[in-house]
Amino acid sequence: QITLKESGPTLVKPTQTLTLTCTFSGFSLSTSGVGVGWIRQPPGKALDWLALIYWNDDKRYSPSLKTRVTITKDTSKNQVILTMANMDPADTATYFCTHRITYASGWTFDYWGQGTMVTVSS
Amino acid sequence: QSALTQPASVSGSPGQSITISCTGTSSDVGGYNYVSWYQQHPGKAPKLIIYEVSNRPSGVSNRFSGSKSGNTASLTISGLQAEDEADYHCTSYSTSSTLVFGGGTKLTVL
Repeated sequence: QITLKESGPTLVKPTQTLTLTCTFSGFSLSTSGVGVGWIRQPPGKALDWLALIYWNDDKRYSPSLKTRVTITKDTSKNQVILTMANMDPADTATYFCTHRITYASGWTFDYWGQGTMVTVSS
Repeated sequence: QSALTQPASVSGSPGQSITISCTGTSSDVGGYNYVSWYQQHPGKAPKLIIYEVSNRPSGVSNRFSGSKSGNTASLTISGLQAEDEADYHCTSYSTSSTLVFGGGTKLTVL
């Protein structure tokens, strides 16, 4: 059974760097085709894709955030880490960690973590 | 403003069918058969209900169906049930290796 869980601070100050960790089980990020993504959702607003990392360390970023976001993996710990620099109140959102579907093409996510709410405020 | 356009809200009575549209461009919806739909209940994580335009993951009711014509994808829910009341999000792969979402549609079951 695949599970993912996000962890990290619930409150960060403007200009600080956010670091979120996704700890997963039920699959390995060293298996061909596997990918883990991050998606966020501001309160009452739409979903917003941030980044995706593949088993072979190929990485993709949202064009609007690529200068601020970094995604890395620690295969031995079954973790994916997202860092976002220069946080702003507009980055207040629930951040979801997701598993990319492996039985189809495209960027579709079949398993999601419960999400972690991050508030940016001084 | 979201890259894909969805109606903010739709409604229907139990037993009826409704359709939610998702309009993009030839760079996303129209250019790839990689449209997905997610259902999200309040306070919960989204759940995948349609992938690659019209495929249903195992365990998803066949009351949910997807289609695409040109730059517009559609989600149809037949035999509406109270439990279908939720937000629905469309998404598509886009050029330059990106993923775009719609603004979400709130479905109300009357």
